[in-house]
Amino acid sequence: RKEVEQDPGPFNVPEGATVAFNCTYSNSASQSFFWYRQDCRKEPKLLMSVYSSGNEDGRFTAQLNRASQYISLLIRDSKLSDSATYLCVVNEDSSYKLIFGSGTRLLVRP
Amino acid sequence: DAGITQSPRHKVTETGTPVTLRCHQTENHRYMYWYRQDPGHGLRLIHYSYGVKDTDKGEVSDGYSVSRSKTEDFLLTLESATSSQTSVYFCAISGSGGTSSYNEQFFGPGTRLTVL
Repeated sequence: RKEVEQDPGPFNVPEGATVAFNCTYSNSASQSFFWYRQDCRKEPKLLMSVYSSGNEDGRFTAQLNRASQYISLLIRDSKLSDSATYLCVVNEDSSYKLIFGSGTRLLVRP
Repeated sequence: DAGITQSPRHKVTETGTPVTLRCHQTENHRYMYWYRQDPGHGLRLIHYSYGVKDTDKGEVSDGYSVSRSKTEDFLLTLESATSSQTSVYFCAISGSGGTSSYNEQFFGPGTRLTVL
């Protein structure tokens, strides 16, 4: 079993749609959780950290379920510019080393 | 954006030749990392550094070595390049404190390496 698993997609949605991605992780000792965004042929960029109480940043909402070991990302009112690959990331045990999922590809169409 | 540069940005080399990739940061972050990214595998950690002259192996370290002689530079060396090392290599940094958590990582623009 992979340490961090994501549905590779692609998720193909119209502009304005709401889309949700889930991610599961295997290490119950993980303490830090993130969503990164990666555009084609570019470096990953931090989208948001994920906190135990859940957190929101504009159109983006992230939630963490420690009991079930999954993380979610909700994008509301999708924009064409949201088209990218979204990487779910958790830290290894309590260390500063991160484990990356393979990513979920999102395509937002006009 | 975090001040991270990588050089070269693109390189084509032949099997058996040595290759060195450079990561340079201007952020005074303590931790530096080298990853490779391949289709179907996501980002995999090659080596990392937790301070000057302090380095350790990651998940896919075979065939690679690193050095960090000063805070701002982290070098990745392929002693004898093989075709299986054709990949995109990303450097990342973390750990300055401030407004970011110590393990939020920020990435350089990447180096595309082709080994023929």
